[in-house]
Amino acid sequence: NAGVMQNPRHLVRRRGQEARLRCSPMKGHSHVYWYRQLPEEGLKFMVYLQKENIIDESGMPKERFSAEFPKEGPSILRIQQVVRGDSAAYFCASSPLGSYSNQPQHFGDGTRLSIL
Amino acid sequence: AQTVTQSQPEMSVQEAETVTLSCTYDTSESDYYLFWYKQPPSRQMILVIRQEAYKQQNATENRFSVNFQKAAKSFSLKISDSQLGDAAMYFCAYRRWSGGYQKVTFGTGTKLQVIP
Repeated sequence: NAGVMQNPRHLVRRRGQEARLRCSPMKGHSHVYWYRQLPEEGLKFMVYLQKENIIDESGMPKERFSAEFPKEGPSILRIQQVVRGDSAAYFCASSPLGSYSNQPQHFGDGTRLSIL
Repeated sequence: AQTVTQSQPEMSVQEAETVTLSCTYDTSESDYYLFWYKQPPSRQMILVIRQEAYKQQNATENRFSVNFQKAAKSFSLKISDSQLGDAAMYFCAYRRWSGGYQKVTFGTGTKLQVIP
């Protein structure tokens, strides 16, 4: 499967624990975007990363949330000390290298995070 | 800031009939893309159709077509010969370039029910 791979598909955490969500972009894609979808809502942009760089994190909460996209390995969205309000579906998308590409973002299947 | 409005939270259509989902957006940009995504209960984000703003011709993909009215900032999706598998959430999305990368804004979605 050459698509965007997210894991785990479902993640259950208790309040106060840490959640780590992983995203491997499509082959040949070096731009990664994370979105959050709260119940009954659309997707909201969180952060945009390139390899080893956070380019735009304007949609990410200032506390407890962090993201990285290392030189090797998947992109990680990390949520520390999770609270009930963090329960949502988290989607990763990727797009090719190169400015002004007309290619749309390709989405993974999402990780559904549930906080007990 | 760009906003995308889907004013129909829910729609229903008889199988084999035609339905139109509406979407309006607000922007001061002249160059952008518009998309419709389908999200079935499995929560995958599936690209249905896309439209480049500089193209006057409305995009068509099999049973799916759009009515793009640039001056009115309207981008409706028409589904012809509706099938049971079309039942899903449909999200309208606006994409622009900012600093060399894609910024996508999603609407809140329309839940489409297909009645057998």
